[in-house]
Amino acid sequence: AQSVTQPDIHITVSEGASLELRCNYSYGATPYLFWYVQSPGQGLQLLLKYFSGDTLVQGIKGFEAEFKRSQSSFNLRKPSVHWSDAAEYFCAVGVGNEKLTFGTGTRLTIIP
Amino acid sequence: TAGITQAPTSQILAAGRSMTLRCTQDMRHNAMYWYRQDLGLGLRLIHYSNTAGTTGKGEVPDGYSVSRANTDDFPLTLASAVPSQTSVYFCASSASGARGEQFFGPGTRLTVL
Repeated sequence: AQSVTQPDIHITVSEGASLELRCNYSYGATPYLFWYVQSPGQGLQLLLKYFSGDTLVQGIKGFEAEFKRSQSSFNLRKPSVHWSDAAEYFCAVGVGNEKLTFGTGTRLTIIP
Repeated sequence: TAGITQAPTSQILAAGRSMTLRCTQDMRHNAMYWYRQDLGLGLRLIHYSNTAGTTGKGEVPDGYSVSRANTDDFPLTLASAVPSQTSVYFCASSASGARGEQFFGPGTRLTVL
């Protein structure tokens, strides 16, 4: 079965600094990959997704992620964070078309 | 557009009692999902439905049941609640199964005492 690991439980970044959130997956074939964001007290919203093709994908709110097959990774990046980016971020991996497996999440704190 | 609605917003339930969490979507999506979110564990899939009339078990189905009588509704039932079912429950839907974007409801916070 597929699995996904987000090694960082909590990350603190200064406003305006760059950000990288790590995501590693485990699966024999190429899965499809997602990043979702959850603001406090709300449901999840899709940031971006990767199925195939260009390994660098662009998402909403200025986020991007790069699929690296050799490292089984799909890290999320943003060149300059804003205070409104404070939230919890979830990586998810899927195979077939029935269900996704979510990581345990990374909580992002932004300091002024 | 309402998207996905969940009810109730929150509930305190005595152990041993039954409860149904309601989920309704107005996007005519074929696939629907129930997740529970617990601190440090992320989201775990309870049950899913790829289309009306079919359901499947997720990662943590024990103690929960679902039905999918029509496209719009996907209720989750706890037959006899236990304290370990204290959690935040999210319903989601997708037009393209697990390959598509999942749209999430606002969640139901359930406390079982």
